[in-house]
Amino acid sequence: GAVVSQHPSWVICKSGTSVKIECRSLDFQATTMFWYRQFPKQSLMLMATSNEGSKATYEQGVEKDKFLINHASLTLSTLTVTSAHPEDSSFYICSASLPGRYGYTFGSGTRLTVV
Amino acid sequence: GQQLNQSPQSMFIQEGEDVSMNCTSSSIFNTWLWYKQDPGEGPVLLIALYKAGELTSNGRLTAQFGITRKDSFLNISASIPSDVGIYFCAGQEENFNKFYFGSGTKLNVKP
Repeated sequence: GAVVSQHPSWVICKSGTSVKIECRSLDFQATTMFWYRQFPKQSLMLMATSNEGSKATYEQGVEKDKFLINHASLTLSTLTVTSAHPEDSSFYICSASLPGRYGYTFGSGTRLTVV
Repeated sequence: GQQLNQSPQSMFIQEGEDVSMNCTSSSIFNTWLWYKQDPGEGPVLLIALYKAGELTSNGRLTAQFGITRKDSFLNISASIPSDVGIYFCAGQEENFNKFYFGSGTKLNVKP
């Protein structure tokens, strides 16, 4: 149990276009999901907390108009990188937790390359 | 966002050796998690700790939640080549729902 599916696993897009990344909890309901960003050889940086049915909470320094988060159901959160630029190229990972104390399960990540 | 101090940054060890890594924080945490990440993959949970002083094992892995609630360590005994990867600690502050990650420890194991 506790599987988080992330799609796509990789995407290449042109500068100026938008890219949507999906994060699904397959066998449980997740009222809260988290989006992280990871640059090569670096740690995971929390970008935002996605709350089902309400607005996401963004970490300091993360542009909410650039990284749009939608958590429309208990099993799906989406991150849309709008007007992507090469500096947005990164590894994006989502996570969600099971009810109770089971830690957080991560998706397999999405490698975004903006050319 | 907050980051935790994780050390060492990298380790090169011989197969069969034991390994120890730790994380410290300036804040009090109520949960510590340890993850392993392989290249191009998301982190996989190894051990979760929920109480100060708690010592938990998962096979050859042992982790402890420091009694000050500001630190945690992870030990790997009798390392094997498949232990290679990057290990991250993650901590959750009191009254907050989100986790912050350490900078990672890259483990290299020579057969």
